[in-house]
Amino acid sequence: DAGITQSPRHKVTETGTPVTLRCHQTENHRYMYWYRQDPGHGLRLIHYSYGVKDTDKGEVSDGYSVSRSKTEDFLLTLESATSSQTSVYFCAIRAGRGDNEQFFGPGTRLTVL
Amino acid sequence: QKEVEQDPGPLSVPEGAIVSLNCTYSNSAFQYFMWYRQYSRKGPELLMYTYSSGNKEDGRFTAQVDKSSKYISLFIRDSQPSDSATYLCAMSVTNFGNEKLTFGTGTRLTIIP
Repeated sequence: DAGITQSPRHKVTETGTPVTLRCHQTENHRYMYWYRQDPGHGLRLIHYSYGVKDTDKGEVSDGYSVSRSKTEDFLLTLESATSSQTSVYFCAIRAGRGDNEQFFGPGTRLTVL
Repeated sequence: QKEVEQDPGPLSVPEGAIVSLNCTYSNSAFQYFMWYRQYSRKGPELLMYTYSSGNKEDGRFTAQVDKSSKYISLFIRDSQPSDSATYLCAMSVTNFGNEKLTFGTGTRLTIIP
C-alpha cells in the first residue's frame, strides 16, 4: 500500500453526525488525494492536496472538507454525514518514476444510517 | 455518456486462458493510460502505466493503446486464479499532480481453476 494507512478502516455513523477520516503516509510525498468508490461510478476524486495547507476540490467535493497541517496527514471531514455519503473512501499519493503514478491506500468503508 | 466506458462483466475464464479487458473513451485529449487491479475489500494496485499509443509488456501483462480508435486493452497471458480481481482502467490528459484521473467502473474477472 505504498506506505499509506487509513483510519478508521470501518465506520458506521448516523445521519447528521460529523465524521473525520485520516490518511497517513510515511514517505514525504507532496500530492495526496481522497477518492470515493461506488458501484456503477468507479473512483471519483473528492479533494486533493499539493502541500501543507494547499488543497483543491475534485469532481464530487460537495459535503466534504479537507485539511493538511502536516505533510504526512490528509484529513477528510464530512461535516454532517448523509446516507448518500455511504461509500468506500480511498486515499492516494503520487510516487513512482517521475512522481507521476498514483498509489492507493487500503480504504475506509463508511456507512451512514 | 461517460468519458470512459468499461464492461463491468463479470468475466469468467478457465485457468491458462488469455484474458482481454477493454475500455473505450471519448476524450481525445487523454494521453496517459493506466490499469489497476483491485482485490476484494482492498485498495487499487497499479499494474501498468503507459503514455500515448502502442504496446507495453510486463511479464504476463500487456497494455495496448489505440488512440485512433479511443480504445485501450489489457491482456493477461497464462491466467492464474490469483488474477481473479476487479480491473480498473484510468486515464488523464496530463501527468501533473492537479490532473484528475478518470476511471472506468471496473471489470470483475474470475479465473476458474
